[in-house]
Amino acid sequence: QKEVEQDPGPLSVPEGAIVSLNCTYSNSAFQYFMWYRQYSRKGPELLMYTYSSGNKEDGRFTAQVDKSSKYISLFIRDSQPSDSATYLCATYTGGFKTIFGAGTRLFVKA
Amino acid sequence: EPEVTQTPSHQVTQMGQEVILRCVPISNHLYFYWYRQILGQKVEFLVSFYNNEISEKSEIFDDQFSVERPDGSNFTLKIRSTKLEDSAMYFCASGQGTWSTDTQYFGPGTRLTVL
Repeated sequence: QKEVEQDPGPLSVPEGAIVSLNCTYSNSAFQYFMWYRQYSRKGPELLMYTYSSGNKEDGRFTAQVDKSSKYISLFIRDSQPSDSATYLCATYTGGFKTIFGAGTRLFVKA
Repeated sequence: EPEVTQTPSHQVTQMGQEVILRCVPISNHLYFYWYRQILGQKVEFLVSFYNNEISEKSEIFDDQFSVERPDGSNFTLKIRSTKLEDSAMYFCASGQGTWSTDTQYFGPGTRLTVL
């Protein structure tokens, strides 16, 4: 079983739509959960991180963690064409090793 | 805004050759990382480096790999004898403090092609 699973997409939505991106993970010891955005030919850029369960909001982005179901989500409100990128969920148990999902490619059409 | 830089952007090498990938982390950062991303696959952790020593490494980071901070500004990844399966995008990252509270900033990557 993969440690972090993520649907690779692609996901295509019209501008202004609410986007929901999701991951599942297998290890209940994971405590920190991150979402990265990766534009083509660029390195990943941290969008948000959360600790344990709950929600965290930053502008148009909301990250949600449900530890009981080992499910993490990223919601993007009022999506823009500039949001078109690959979104990577990631987690780690502590220490320095970050475990990434495969990434979901998002296309927001103008 | 300060950023992590990597050189070269693309490296082509023959199988069995040694390659050195270079990174200049953000100047006041203390934690340094290498990741790789094989085309179409996920980003994978290779190694972390702090206080001039490896703090953690993955099972991918075998004896063919080494890291060094030779001069206080550069951070290098060496692959001694490249294999075809080493072809990937290699990302360097740096961070200011412990990962739980501080962002890792990624460089743009070096694409390594092993022929």
